[in-house]
Amino acid sequence: GAGVSQTPSNKVTEKGKYVELRCDPISGHTALYWYRQSLGQGPEFLIYFQGTGAADDSGLPNDRFFAVRPEGSVSTLKIQRTERGDSAVYLCASSPSRANTEAFFGQGTRLTVV
Amino acid sequence: SQQGEEDPQALSIQEGENATMNCSYKTSINNLQWYRQNSGRGLVHLILIRSNEREKHSGRLRVTLDTSKKSSSLLITASRAADTASYFCATDEGGNQFYFGTGTSLTVIP
Repeated sequence: GAGVSQTPSNKVTEKGKYVELRCDPISGHTALYWYRQSLGQGPEFLIYFQGTGAADDSGLPNDRFFAVRPEGSVSTLKIQRTERGDSAVYLCASSPSRANTEAFFGQGTRLTVV
Repeated sequence: SQQGEEDPQALSIQEGENATMNCSYKTSINNLQWYRQNSGRGLVHLILIRSNEREKHSGRLRVTLDTSKKSSSLLITASRAADTASYFCATDEGGNQFYFGTGTSLTVIP
């Protein structure tokens, strides 16, 4: 596709459930980022992939959060035992490489934990 | 955590006027990017300015960068109602992430 695609657009889940959020980056982009944005705030870094490997997962808030990118393209962010505080917009971005290039964002997944 | 800080937090102008937003940051950077966000969803990339550049233009957008003051400004000329959005700066410090500010909410009144 022409841009970064994220699915689903919206996800409502019950507290304690498991969710998966998907990101399809721009074809050929090796760098992929996940960010989380709470209401009224700027995006906050979660994890960065270069190719298939998680080069930096320092932004993941705790061990309930995990992300994979097994083939170096599509990435899935997984959240276990969801809590109401996990409610936010989860944004994915990709860029051609890590060095000094623009990052292009998807439309995000709005996660609501009830 | 937030590294950049946009100023003002909110800005309301009449259509046709110019809008100026400022971004301050704390450490040395490789580049700085400006994004627009409508309705709290996807971020649209507007412009990237590298640390060795001082000014950049793209259509009605003009971005300046002053590395000595650790600040950048985004100027939107001849604003339109469609420019209503939140605007964020994001700094690249050479690590593995971009640092975003809390954004400026721009309202352009028709």
